[in-house]
Amino acid sequence: DTGVSQDPRHKITKRGQNVTFRCDPISEHNRLYWYRQTLGQGPEFLTYFQNEAQLEKSRLLSDRFSAERPKGSFSTLEIQRTEQGDSAMYLCASSMGAGGIYGYTFGSGTRLTVV
Amino acid sequence: AQSVTQPDIHITVSEGASLELRCNYSYGATPYLFWYVQSPGQGLQLLLKYFSGDTLVQGIKGFEAEFKRSQSSFNLRKPSVHWSDAAEYFCAVGRSGGSYIPTFGRGTSLIVHP
Repeated sequence: DTGVSQDPRHKITKRGQNVTFRCDPISEHNRLYWYRQTLGQGPEFLTYFQNEAQLEKSRLLSDRFSAERPKGSFSTLEIQRTEQGDSAMYLCASSMGAGGIYGYTFGSGTRLTVV
Repeated sequence: AQSVTQPDIHITVSEGASLELRCNYSYGATPYLFWYVQSPGQGLQLLLKYFSGDTLVQGIKGFEAEFKRSQSSFNLRKPSVHWSDAAEYFCAVGRSGGSYIPTFGRGTSLIVHP
């Protein structure tokens, strides 16, 4: 078990471009979460999956954001028409059962910079 | 809705000194409480969690936390800090029912002087 993997670690993109991030959770974990973290703040919840079903989305997840977990394994988070305000660390976490009860295992994150 | 307050943005301690990081929560029922640590450029690592039972919880790396319902607090402590403990510490509270998605505090940055 190699933990939660996120790719890429860093991404620099021009405003208006689309970006996609990937997360590979711990294989036995059925829940996968996406969080966003800006400088000096704690992680903010974006969305989560139980197996392949997307069960909850935050109001932070505008229509430019979409997430998938097609086979209940890895997940992708896509941001369309990026804006400078999207610059942040995007964290993926997984858990067996509810992460709000048992705790999360986080990946190292993807740092997005929109120029 | 639940909320979490970490009143200290930065805490500076000398190596070997004791540490206490404060966390206050606002939630109507018994909360699920967590402390996570984040080293620079890394994801968060779970230190400890509480949701019932003994109010003094032991975690990894020599950390402990005490749940005090009367004060709505869940403070993190360590008797002797090591230089490697320098990091960002986040308290989180999970709501019961539904998806149990936790809310994170803004974090406390721990600086350790040699």
